[in-house]
Amino acid sequence: GQNIDQPTEMTATEGAIVQINCTYQTSGFNGLFWYQQHAGEAPTFLSYNVLDGLEEKGRFSSFLSRSKGYSYLLLKELQMKDSASYLCVPRKGGGNKLTFGTGTQLKVEL
Amino acid sequence: DSGVTQTPKHLITATGQRVTLRCSPRSGDLSVYWYQQSLDQGLQFLIQYYNGEERAKGNILERFSAQQFPDLHSELNLSSLELGDSALYFCASSAGEGTSNEQFFGPGTRLTVL
Repeated sequence: GQNIDQPTEMTATEGAIVQINCTYQTSGFNGLFWYQQHAGEAPTFLSYNVLDGLEEKGRFSSFLSRSKGYSYLLLKELQMKDSASYLCVPRKGGGNKLTFGTGTQLKVEL
Repeated sequence: DSGVTQTPKHLITATGQRVTLRCSPRSGDLSVYWYQQSLDQGLQFLIQYYNGEERAKGNILERFSAQQFPDLHSELNLSSLELGDSALYFCASSAGEGTSNEQFFGPGTRLTVL
């Protein structure tokens, strides 16, 4: 089975930093994706963490703690275009299907 | 542009009808995934094909079927359509068979059943 918990909505200010947390319970866990999805558009890949630690990619960083079943996505220097849903997607080891929740709807304001 | 193409972009049809959605994966990708996203819902995994063979199945209704052709494009067939089938249907592709590979999503087909 799989349980994913992340906030439904968040609001932040342009230029600021925001951290979107995700806790999960996934049997046979084997990595975690973060995707971004603007309303009515296709999801786009942001990151994939397999090992514990922080992975930085430009303004976006993703952190994973396998022992705690916890991940976060850090967005720096927020821009208006970052207003979107952010989807935390744990991967079940050996499985070929991903379970996407409804994610965290981030609103960036002036 | 992800490199994944889907046609048509929009489709409006009536209940009881049958439609076919088409997807061309990125060049070189062997896996194709189909997802359904109803309004304000998360993406629901439907089915995956890898190099022409079915690899994984999600909550795909019996009225729905899919296949992947030798040129690796895929089609999703939806029949006996119901109002509740109205949704965005996304196709994604990845290089390998397992989901450790990043999935690249197409722009989606918006299906409206009246």
